[in-house]
Amino acid sequence: EVQLVESGGGLVQPGGSLRLSCAASGFTFSSYDMHWVRQVPGKGLEWVSTIGTSGDTYYPGSVKGRFTISRENAKNSLYLQMNSLRAGDTAVYYCARGDQLVRNYFYYYILDVWGQGTTVTVSS
Amino acid sequence: DIQMTQSPSSLSASVGDRVTITCRASQSISRYLNWFQHKPGKGPKLLIYAASSLQSGVPSRFSGSGSGTDFTLTISSLQPEDFATYYCQQSYSNPPENSFGQGTKLEIK
Repeated sequence: EVQLVESGGGLVQPGGSLRLSCAASGFTFSSYDMHWVRQVPGKGLEWVSTIGTSGDTYYPGSVKGRFTISRENAKNSLYLQMNSLRAGDTAVYYCARGDQLVRNYFYYYILDVWGQGTTVTVSS
Repeated sequence: DIQMTQSPSSLSASVGDRVTITCRASQSISRYLNWFQHKPGKGPKLLIYAASSLQSGVPSRFSGSGSGTDFTLTISSLQPEDFATYYCQQSYSNPPENSFGQGTKLEIK
């Protein structure tokens, strides 16, 4: 079964750090882009970071310089190191698999497998 | 940045109803549009990709249409398990910053 399982969430003080993990199973982890997406309480989904199969990384301005995404293919694991955490980072964090499908000769990018999420609370 | 706007933000409906949710992009995104269903305590579930292609395993009562800037998700006959929040997401730009709509919460009337 294709599965993603996040862990590492918890309560942390503002300015603190936390490392999230995502364990992948049931597919060839190294062959896929991987993403972190979060949902702030009462708000919608927000993309947090992406790591490609070659290790290239991408971040939105809201977390750039504070968060670092990484992967360890030998362990089928994805990570998110979060530093200088703020109250606004309080959210449920999901890892997701990226894939491309072809329809009518066009490539379409999808986030087709998601974990159940891990909750991060930033509060004093 | 491409902005995605969904309407309505919330919707009340009954089992058996036909429901339509709309999503508008701030610029043309061709057919690079995905729809997700999200229930509390679970990860989002991909329903539709490429604006109208049904993801494997998704019931046929779900359908998507549109291209360019205007898209719709239709549920032909609501089932109890369909009450959830629905998000559109554009996959035209990469990386996917601000790619999700704000969500539509579908509640039981």
